Amino acid sequence: GESVGLHLPTLSVQEGDNSIINCAYSNSASDYFIWYKQESGKGPQFIIDIRSNMDKRQGQRVTVLLNKTVKHLSLQIAATQPGDSAVYFCAENAGNNRKLIWGLGTSLAVNP
Amino acid sequence: DSGVTQTPKHLITATGQRVTLRCSPRSGDLSVYWYQQSLDQGLQFLIQYYNGEERAKGNILERFSAQQFPDLHSELNLSSLELGDSALYFCASSVATGGETQYFGPGTRLLVL
Repeated sequence: GESVGLHLPTLSVQEGDNSIINCAYSNSASDYFIWYKQESGKGPQFIIDIRSNMDKRQGQRVTVLLNKTVKHLSLQIAATQPGDSAVYFCAENAGNNRKLIWGLGTSLAVNP
Repeated sequence: DSGVTQTPKHLITATGQRVTLRCSPRSGDLSVYWYQQSLDQGLQFLIQYYNGEERAKGNILERFSAQQFPDLHSELNLSSLELGDSALYFCASSVATGGETQYFGPGTRLLVL
């Protein structure tokens, strides 16, 4: 996968609120999308994925929404907890190349 | 625990030196990926190996090289180290040739003094 290294945007939420992290993807041919969570000093951890034949997929406290019309992906975290503080990356399977393209990442800070 | 292991966890060395980072993929995974992550930066893809062969190359410096062995473990060699090479180096693995879910190891934190 490829990525561009830039300083990360930050989202700050209150504990207990819902969080929405957004990602704009680049390739209209992408057919598979993944969200990863990376806690400080640790490797990225798979959270949830979605295929392009779906608009929505739910996991435990997380929901991923896919809008193919505007090439937009979002991750919703319900009742955000301090343990959700991390950097969240989206990744897309860029079609024929069969490789993952990584988003820049969003830093989520949960305020007690 | 992703099933991907990396050694060492931490590495401190001096400029000009050479180091080797090691990665064992999840059981059954054929692809190994190497990423570099500097402080507060995104993931910078370096290189991918699939079943022993180089599959894809990212922004890997000529001073860096990698290989994947018959038992599918991989090593990333970093030589003529510079201060700017200080970073977290992650290995990930996936089951096939690419585009599917990658599972990451805990990383090796390299500090070049």
